[in-house]
Amino acid sequence: EDQVTQSPEALRLQEGESSSLNCSYTVSGLRGLFWYRQDPGKGPEFLFTLYSAGEEKEKERLKATLTKKESFLHITAPKPEDSATYLCAVLSTGFNKFYFGSGTKLNVKP
Amino acid sequence: DTEVTQTPKHLVMGMTNKKSLKCEQHMGHRAMYWYKQKAKKPPELMFVYSYEKLSINESVPSRFSPECPNSSLLNLHLHALQPEDSALYLCASRATKSSYEQYFGPGTRLTVT
Repeated sequence: EDQVTQSPEALRLQEGESSSLNCSYTVSGLRGLFWYRQDPGKGPEFLFTLYSAGEEKEKERLKATLTKKESFLHITAPKPEDSATYLCAVLSTGFNKFYFGSGTKLNVKP
Repeated sequence: DTEVTQTPKHLVMGMTNKKSLKCEQHMGHRAMYWYKQKAKKPPELMFVYSYEKLSINESVPSRFSPECPNSSLLNLHLHALQPEDSALYLCASRATKSSYEQYFGPGTRLTVT
């Protein structure tokens, strides 16, 4: 059965303290892995799509990487405005639906 | 432009009311989705429309009734809801041919009293 696990559940950083969020997945065939940012009470905001192992995408302080079993979202020198819940989702080749992880809640203190 | 709009932003309804949530996108996407999200949980898929036809129904109770009048619009009709149906309802759309990422709207915060 397709499964997505995110860790840690919550992460507290000081401004400027770089770190990584993890998304581990088990799927029969990967069609794509997606990262979203969600602020409280709002819809998820699309960040990245990764399609194959070795692929990397960057946007400002965020960099997403993909291996055959997991994806990392690296946050370099985070700022308080990066505080949000980061969701990972996987689309497998057998199904037309996203499997979401439970998210990592990031809190960046000034 | 990757905008999906949803109305209303907030809705409070009694268990005997009938109401509708609306979603609109003008990106030419041909797949549209309804999700339900409870606090501190990821979105849960409810329905998928592909080319205006219902393609996935995740065994959602019949008190939720989706409708896709055209390729830009998606409605969710609500009737006889229960307090446990209170949640953030999210609409999303996807360009089926070129990419798989879904773009979400801001959501409707529904409270059932």
